[in-house]
Amino acid sequence: DTAVSQTPKYLVTQMGNDKSIKCEQNLGHDTMYWYKQDSKKFLKIMFSYNNKELIINETVPNRFSPKSPDKAHLNLHINSLELGDSAVYFCASSPGMNTEAFFGQGTRLTVV
Amino acid sequence: QKEVEQNSGPLSVPEGAIASLNCTYSDRVSQSFFWYRQYSGKSPELIMSIYSNGDKEDGRFTAQLNKASQYVSLLIRDSQPSDSATYLCAVKEGGSYIPTFGRGTSLIVHP
Repeated sequence: DTAVSQTPKYLVTQMGNDKSIKCEQNLGHDTMYWYKQDSKKFLKIMFSYNNKELIINETVPNRFSPKSPDKAHLNLHINSLELGDSAVYFCASSPGMNTEAFFGQGTRLTVV
Repeated sequence: QKEVEQNSGPLSVPEGAIASLNCTYSDRVSQSFFWYRQYSGKSPELIMSIYSNGDKEDGRFTAQLNKASQYVSLLIRDSQPSDSATYLCAVKEGGSYIPTFGRGTSLIVHP
């Protein structure tokens, strides 16, 4: 019974393609996140949703579009993939303000 | 802009020693502090959270928070080779949903 699950775990695709990563949490948390971890292991926030509402959208190209159909799901769609998009993308969730975040297993995206 | 600073390491300690990992943060309104462990190729895993000044102990781990000096540290007693990983410090402002992460410190525990 995985708490935060992402699919797929690995994604290899060509430049210019469009791809989606799905995330689901069964913890009953109100807040969900997408983080990008680059080759130097830096975890950078991309988006955050609270109760399906977007609460933060960092400086991310508009090729990246999050969608939250309900508070248990936060998907990430990426258009026109570029080489620089290659990274590990982590979904996470937390109960709310001031509380810890719990991470999914990550999606390693490789753009060739 | 909030900054969370960690020494990237690697920090190398012998098995059985105390490993001391440090983190400083720039934002005085930060209220919640977290330590995560990340093994290579895996996701970050929460080790400790701390909200008040002082020490908080959980097994071999002790988190120390000093808000006046804006630092938080993690001590690992009786370090084991299985503790070898990257340790990430994360900070949340009061009333914030968003944890900001440091770049992590690589810890190597050698037998």
